[in-house]
Formats: sequence, structure tokens, C-alpha cells
Amino acid sequence: GQQLNQSPQSMFIQEGEDVSMNCTSSSIFNTWLWYKQDPGEGPVLLIALYKAGELTSNGRLTAQFGITRKDSFLNISASIPSDVGIYFCAGPIATGNQFYFGTGTSLTVIP
Amino acid sequence: SQTIHQWPATLVQPVGSPLSLECTVEGTSNPNLYWYRQAAGRGLQLLFYSVGIGQISSEVPQNLSASRPQDRQFILSSKKLLLSDSGFYLCAWTVGGTDTQYFGPGTRLTVL
Repeated sequence: GQQLNQSPQSMFIQEGEDVSMNCTSSSIFNTWLWYKQDPGEGPVLLIALYKAGELTSNGRLTAQFGITRKDSFLNISASIPSDVGIYFCAGPIATGNQFYFGTGTSLTVIP
Repeated sequence: SQTIHQWPATLVQPVGSPLSLECTVEGTSNPNLYWYRQAAGRGLQLLFYSVGIGQISSEVPQNLSASRPQDRQFILSSKKLLLSDSGFYLCAWTVGGTDTQYFGPGTRLTVL
């Protein structure tokens, strides 16, 4: 399926630093989903956003649904080693039962 | 609460052998079910999805097929595996009419 534009592609950060990644689309979305995938496991849903402008937190994670409905941001505060993994954004295709996915942001946290 | 199961977790098969991967969902009714393939930890490729028993939509022409014999069961099959079928296979579900998708733990398939 079509990919969303996700950036950065990879990040190497020191433990304790904050992280920010984003996802953009040329189309309007009604829902934005953020997942984390550990090696060899399935993606786990972190945060779901359903309204433009919505800001939602899950522990140290905060995600925002852009006002234009064409983008979303995920922030991780005070990173820890277990934050390592690949983060994906996703959104449903308006006309059917399928989903677009971002290409993923690989996060490495250096202790 | 809802849970999704996949088995086997890992599989090593010779080229030309058949394949059957199973996915089941618990705690929900009439889910939309999906099969994805993921290569090298990135890029989820949608293979099949189903909105109901016996209803299968195929997204990518290939030697794989899918079936949904029961409401909460989704099976991915092949009669003859190719080397290129190696990858990480993920099953996912959504409640019909909602926009939130959940993934299973995945099956790592290696074709030798």
C-alpha cells in the first residue's frame, strides 16, 4: 500500500534525551496511529488520535494530530534504553478498510 | 479484552513445500482481519484482508492465498513456497467500522 512520509529514518540519541518524530501525508486523515515494534515482534499500538488538534499522552509519550489533518508528531521524553525499536505511524484509507503506513523511524538509545 | 494469536512463531520450510499460517482473534466479533508481510524490519506490505467469513481481498498477486473459515480465524497458505516468500508475517485486526488496528506477534518464515 501507499506509504506515509515519516522522518527521521533513524535516530541515535543519548539516554535521557527527548525524541521527536513526525509523519506527513498529502491526503487528509481522520485517524492517526503510532506503533512501536521491537525486533522479532509485532507492532504494538502506542497512541491513537481521532481529532484534529488532539494531543494525547501515554506515559513519557505524547502524540499530536496536526491541525491540517495531514500530519502527526510523536515525542518521547527522557528516553531510556527500552525505548529502542522502530516506530511507525499509520492511518486508515478513507475509502476502504486498508491502512497507510509510515516507513518507520529506527530509534537507538545510547546508555 | 481482545487478544490475537499467531502460530507458529517461527517456521523453516524448503522451497516448494506448502505453507499454512494461522491467526485467531479472541474477545471480539466480526473483526476485519489482515495479513501483512514485512521485510527487513520495515515496510509493511498488505497481502490480504477480510471483512467477513469467506470474504477475501487480495492486494498483491503472488503464490499465497488466504481463507477465513470462521469469524475470528484467518489462514495464510501456499501450495509451493518460493525463496522470496521468506519474511515476517503479521496478522492484524480492527473492529469493523473503527479506525484502530492491532497486530499479532508475527511469524518468522524462512524458506531455504
